[in-house]
Amino acid sequence: SAVISQKPSRDICQRGTSLTIQCQVDSQVTMMFWYRQQPGQSLTLIATANQGSEATYESGFVIDKFPISRPNLTFSTLTVSNMSPEDSSIYLCSVGRQFYEQYFGPGTRLTVT
Amino acid sequence: AQSVSQHNHHVILSEAASLELGCNYSYGGTVNLFWYVQYPGQHLQLLLKYFSGDPLVKGIKGFEAEFIKSKFSFNLRKPSVQWSDTAEYFCAVNARGNNRLAFGKGNQVVVIP
Repeated sequence: SAVISQKPSRDICQRGTSLTIQCQVDSQVTMMFWYRQQPGQSLTLIATANQGSEATYESGFVIDKFPISRPNLTFSTLTVSNMSPEDSSIYLCSVGRQFYEQYFGPGTRLTVT
Repeated sequence: AQSVSQHNHHVILSEAASLELGCNYSYGGTVNLFWYVQYPGQHLQLLLKYFSGDPLVKGIKGFEAEFIKSKFSFNLRKPSVQWSDTAEYFCAVNARGNNRLAFGKGNQVVVIP
């Protein structure tokens, strides 16, 4: 497994602002992912964070709204831009390991007012 | 794209009762299957996984799951639950060769002492 930390753990933000969430892993990993868990819903994959290249976004998610950085093999950030109340969710990063297993961080609980 | 169905979102049991949570997926190719658990206040943890071989897999804390290919199912079972099994359980699947996980909506399980 891997030890994954996220910052901040929670935040309350105003509509129209942006928040950057950090994900740090204790060892180098090839695959990192960002998920969203809206209230009462399951986890939805936002994008795969690729080291050294642009992130790969899933249908319904765009780079302008959720820009992602992956400067090295242990760190990634997800920015939620121009927030609205609909962006209130838990945002999780995960890392991929052998045999397609994924291990998840503790999540960032975002509330947009 | 693959999708995952979990039924009976809320399950309430007494201690020592047996638990079975259903998971069905839709994807015609070879898949990897997972059950994740999220205990109150904790982050998502991998409970068990299936990649190949024996379709009956055993995970942590006495849980097991059976892959039935003909039914596209991967049901989770525990013969005798404990109060500490109170948690949310998520089934997830990815296509072989693809790290992108699709999650079901989860089962909220409450075990009454």
